[in-house]
Amino acid sequence: DTGVSQNPRHKITKRGQNVTFRCDPISEHNRLYWYRQTLGQGPEFLTYFQNEAQLEKSRLLSDRFSAERPKGSFSTLEIQRTEQGDSAMYLCASSFGRRVAEAFFGQGTRLTVV
Amino acid sequence: AQSVTQLDSQVPVFEEAPVELRCNYSSSVSVYLFWYVQYPNQGLQLLLKYLSGSTLVKGINGFEAEFNKSQTSFHLRKPSVHISDTAEYFCAVNTAGANNLFFGTGTRLTVIP
Repeated sequence: DTGVSQNPRHKITKRGQNVTFRCDPISEHNRLYWYRQTLGQGPEFLTYFQNEAQLEKSRLLSDRFSAERPKGSFSTLEIQRTEQGDSAMYLCASSFGRRVAEAFFGQGTRLTVV
Repeated sequence: AQSVTQLDSQVPVFEEAPVELRCNYSSSVSVYLFWYVQYPNQGLQLLLKYLSGSTLVKGINGFEAEFNKSQTSFHLRKPSVHISDTAEYFCAVNTAGANNLFFGTGTRLTVIP
């Protein structure tokens, strides 16, 4: 297993377009997290799944954002009607068991909204 | 509520010199503490973590950190840095029962040849 995989690595889109990112976690990991990192800041928590259930969403996750994890495997994060403020690095992490302490991060998807 | 403060946004240091990156946290409940490193255009890599037990934690690449509960600090240290240590370093906390990590704003370490 090569770790957490995220695609695409880079995405440039026009304001108002929809975008979708994919995260493939480490295969035996039941927990999956999405974070957003803007320039000069640390990552900020967006949402978390345990298996296929989305158990927590932060207030940063506006109604334009939706995340899914069908069958408890890969996950997608979709942003509708993108805005320039959505430009950021979107990071996915996964862990096994109940503790976030063991989370492994992917390399991220960098979104640029022009 | 919890917070993480990384006191230095940038730390320049000469190669083979020691370095300390500072991290202070606040939380009303018990915490787990972490240091991550991020190279340009990459994700986060775990350097070390404190969950319980010995307050001196050793991590990868020769880094270590000490948990000081009375000073609510978790400073990262390395006795001799290399050019390859140039990166962004993030301190993070996880409070008991929480499902996410809360990150500081990062410290950019630049190692000067």
